[in-house]
Amino acid sequence: DTGVSQNPRHKITKRGQNVTFRCDPISEHNRLYWYRQTLGQGPEFLTYFQNEAQLEKSRLLSDRFSAERPKGSFSTLEIQRTEQGDSAMYLCASRVGSGYTFGSGTRLTVV
Amino acid sequence: SQQGEEDPQALSIQEGENATMNCSYKTSINNLQWYRQNSGRGLVHLILIRSNEREKHSGRLRVTLDTSKKSSSLLITASRAADTASYFCATDGPTNQAGTALIFGKGTTLSVSS
Repeated sequence: DTGVSQNPRHKITKRGQNVTFRCDPISEHNRLYWYRQTLGQGPEFLTYFQNEAQLEKSRLLSDRFSAERPKGSFSTLEIQRTEQGDSAMYLCASRVGSGYTFGSGTRLTVV
Repeated sequence: SQQGEEDPQALSIQEGENATMNCSYKTSINNLQWYRQNSGRGLVHLILIRSNEREKHSGRLRVTLDTSKKSSSLLITASRAADTASYFCATDGPTNQAGTALIFGKGTTLSVSS
């Protein structure tokens, strides 16, 4: 149990469908990050929240991607009109000080 | 985009041998962290070294940092089959492209055979 919970663990969807992932961070961590990791690569930064404010967005985050963190607690990442290139592991991390804790990720497969 | 480059990309050793992985990065940092990832799983934090530190130990792990060369190394001593995983360095610094986010390298895949 890493303390950061991500759901679902796996998601298979047809191209063109919308998907939503959820991340529940460690409760006292006010910073929350989303990363995407494709096979054989390191995680790539997508977006960052401090409390409920989305402060950073990578250029990887196209218009089809949206993230929210209402009330500064859990966060959701939605991908609209999924494409095969969206197939990846989506990782969430929360942070206090220098310490990051990652969730186990959501594996998305777009068929 | 990714900050660092790990070297080698893949490493195969026998149990009991030492494994050394290197990481180079591009911008100034506050600290550098190493993570481990078992296949298909999330990242596990191993060790953090601050920019004013040169060496740090944790159990069988030894990390060095050379800020003048913008490089770090991770040494795993007396490796075990359970050390088989991918290892990533990640930098946390004031000039990261992503602001305050960790920036990861591409990783080294370590395979330890018994």
